[in-house]
Amino acid sequence: AQTVTQSQPEMSVQEAETVTLSCTYDTSESDYYLFWYKQPPSRQMILVIRQEAYKQQNATENRFSVNFQKAAKSFSLKISDSQLGDAAMYFCAYRGYGQNFVFGPGTRLSVLP
Amino acid sequence: NAGVTQTPKFQVLKTGQSMTLQCAQDMNHEYMSWYRQDPGMGLRLIHYSVGAGITDQGEVPNGYNVSRSTTEDFPLRLLSAAPSQTSVYFCAASLNNEQFFGPGTRLTVL
Repeated sequence: AQTVTQSQPEMSVQEAETVTLSCTYDTSESDYYLFWYKQPPSRQMILVIRQEAYKQQNATENRFSVNFQKAAKSFSLKISDSQLGDAAMYFCAYRGYGQNFVFGPGTRLSVLP
Repeated sequence: NAGVTQTPKFQVLKTGQSMTLQCAQDMNHEYMSWYRQDPGMGLRLIHYSVGAGITDQGEVPNGYNVSRSTTEDFPLRLLSAAPSQTSVYFCAASLNNEQFFGPGTRLTVL
């Protein structure tokens, strides 16, 4: 079975600075998708970024980018120019051949003014 | 286009009571799922459905039942609520590689 690990339960960053959230996963599948979801205090789950494993190029969405290292099974999220609205829980997720998603335990990000 | 809706948003139950969490989607997605979210554990899959009439168990199915009579609706039933089922519950509908979540239900079992 696939597992997703997020080793940082909590992180903090100064406003306008850059922060990197870590995620590692375990799988024997060769083709899969990885995701980062944001959950603000409103509880809504919001897709931040998606990476397809067969693509070597790292995904980017505005201030959000990933560092995908397939051999190391690592998928970190970098947030540049952090804003107060970035404060939230962040979940790393995996989807393989089936349609089920596997989520990590989450990292709570605080943004300090 | 409402996406995925869930009712109720909050619920308090007593141990042993039963209830149904409602989930509906208007996107015509075949795949739907139920998760529970607990502190430090992320979202864990309870049950899922790949289409009307087809359901299957996820990682933590005990104490829950589901049915899928239509594409739109995917209710989650708690048969006899226990304090261990205190959690936030999310319903989701998926198409290809995108998963759309409902707003969640916070359930407390006393």
